[in-house]
Amino acid sequence: SQQGEEDPQALSIQEGENATMNCSYKTSINNLQWYRQNSGRGLVHLILIRSNEREKHSGRLRVTLDTSKKSSSLLITASRAADTASYFCATAEGQGFSFIFGKGTRLLVKP
Amino acid sequence: SQTIHQWPATLVQPVGSPLSLECTVEGTSNPNLYWYRQAAGRGLQLLFYSVGIGQISSEVPQNLSASRPQDRQFILSSKKLLLSDSGFYLCACTTSGRGEQYFGPGTRLTVT
Repeated sequence: SQQGEEDPQALSIQEGENATMNCSYKTSINNLQWYRQNSGRGLVHLILIRSNEREKHSGRLRVTLDTSKKSSSLLITASRAADTASYFCATAEGQGFSFIFGKGTRLLVKP
Repeated sequence: SQTIHQWPATLVQPVGSPLSLECTVEGTSNPNLYWYRQAAGRGLQLLFYSVGIGQISSEVPQNLSASRPQDRQFILSSKKLLLSDSGFYLCACTTSGRGEQYFGPGTRLTVT
């Protein structure tokens, strides 16, 4: 079953603006990860945040995690046309080794 | 760093034909390996994962099967393809349990 659910499904912004996308999940997690996928390609790992962390930064990316609300957000600052892609959250649940991916947010950054 | 190879890149197969997709990993040993399927414009559905040679966990009942004959080789198979098997198949690995996943370039399968 799908656990991670991203919101919005699609987002269109101008270059230079910030993009925020959200992810909600249903059960307890070990960690939550964000990935990027360019059209027709494999996924690329962006950032991992553990269940005991609340915020993490990597370059222009900022991820927050609220385990009480079972939600996470990904902020991309000063977006570029090259950031155009689909973004997915994935959760590592419980004690197992499986991951659950959401349906993704399609981000379009217009030059 | 690890590199994941998948082949073929694209495949068009008739309904009822067999399937074999191969994934190999370079640059690491004892990885956890994963097969995902992605329908057009959708998220990833986990099909199988393996934590070692010969160890396969199935997440979704279907007419697909997976095997891991070697540490860094993961094969996805079917005896008879269905139209609903069309999709983009992605192989992935982790090198640290539930840590970040590395993905291959994918195989686009069209069942006609």
